Amino acid sequence: DAGITQSPRHKVTETGTPVTLRCHQTENHRYMYWYRQDPGHGLRLIHYSYGVKDTDKGEVSDGYSVSRSKTEDFLLTLESATSSQTSVYFCAISESRQGTDTQYFGPGTRLTVL
Amino acid sequence: RKEVEQDPGPFNVPEGATVAFNCTYSNSASQSFFWYRQDCRKEPKLLMSVYSSGNEDGRFTAQLNRASQYISLLIRDSKLSDSATYLCVVLPAPDKLIFGTGTRLQVFP
Repeated sequence: DAGITQSPRHKVTETGTPVTLRCHQTENHRYMYWYRQDPGHGLRLIHYSYGVKDTDKGEVSDGYSVSRSKTEDFLLTLESATSSQTSVYFCAISESRQGTDTQYFGPGTRLTVL
Repeated sequence: RKEVEQDPGPFNVPEGATVAFNCTYSNSASQSFFWYRQDCRKEPKLLMSVYSSGNEDGRFTAQLNRASQYISLLIRDSKLSDSATYLCVVLPAPDKLIFGTGTRLQVFP
């Protein structure tokens, strides 16, 4: 299995509070992604990174920001959590661009916003 | 119309059965196709890529039909351990991987 960890694995928070999720990889892969998975929807891309300090928006980026200061870490921040952000969040990594290489997923973070 | 559509199932099949799933996609320019497997409350994992000529990996066969814009996954001799959700994944444009909502398979003894 690819070396990807996510923290925390579970979190319950209240509306309006800031939340940061961390993704850590030991594979030295260039690309990192944050997805959310909700019932009735496929995995949807929030943001992705193609290198240190290089990030771009995905399909559902509103309300989220990211940072990547080191190759191994990719942080996802909800500046002011809302109930609509209750979801399962997956981090993924790949050596090259989406669709050209296997994406390896982390174990996921279950976030509940009350 | 969704970019990628799958029958959610569940498909309930006995051990040893053959089962097939289809997935349709809307963008005819799509270039890359994959099947991922996701166990309950776990992360998705790549099962296989789908090539134009079709490809096989043990009991699993993937096919692409560009004319009708669908991909298929055939599982032969189903095992209990095949019980999972199978995600169809399509790349309609660079850096725009689209995941289907998945088809759930339940294999019973």
